[in-house]
Amino acid sequence: AQKVTQAQTEISVVEKEDVTLDCVYETRDTTYYLFWYKQPPSGELVFLIRRNSFDEQNEISGRYSWNFQKSTSSFNFTITASQVVDSAVYFCALSDFKAAGNKLTFGGGTRVLVKP
Amino acid sequence: AAGVIQSPRHLIKEKRETATLKCYPIPRHDTVYWYQQGPGQDPQFLISFYEKMQSDKGSIPDRFSAQQFSDYHSELNMSSLELGDSALYFCASRSAGAGGELFFGEGSRLTVL
Repeated sequence: AQKVTQAQTEISVVEKEDVTLDCVYETRDTTYYLFWYKQPPSGELVFLIRRNSFDEQNEISGRYSWNFQKSTSSFNFTITASQVVDSAVYFCALSDFKAAGNKLTFGGGTRVLVKP
Repeated sequence: AAGVIQSPRHLIKEKRETATLKCYPIPRHDTVYWYQQGPGQDPQFLISFYEKMQSDKGSIPDRFSAQQFSDYHSELNMSSLELGDSALYFCASRSAGAGGELFFGEGSRLTVL
């Protein structure tokens, strides 16, 4: 069974501070996908980033960066120079690698509040 | 670009009534997923369809059923509604040959009174 744990339930920062969200996962699959989704107050789920389990290269995309460490089953996500519009709930998610299927297992979410 | 379309966006029902939610996936996406998100909860997987056949099943109550039609749209039917069914219901779609990310609709908010 797959499991995703986001230990931080809520993080509050002041604008322009960096925010790092922790994510730890469990899976028996040797290949899998990891994702981060954002859910703003309006409710929709917005795809942010995806990482394949066989690619541990960490990347930066604009103000977003992520640190994938397979050895510790962690997939942390950082927002650099946070803005008020970053206030949302952020979900880490895991899926298998099947051609059909690929359902997402979500973590409990971390609520980020960015204050001006 | 076209996104996943869900209807209705908001729905209010009484206990023991029936509700139907519709989902229109992104064109050429052949896999549809349904998720239920209760207040303050993470989305929980209900059921998925690939090429009009059920491909996986999660924590979907027996009172709920779903199907995917020949045009790939999907419907989630919920009967004998209970107060606990009040939630945001998301539909997501993906292409089986694509990289894996699910694209979510804006959700249908069901309130059971």
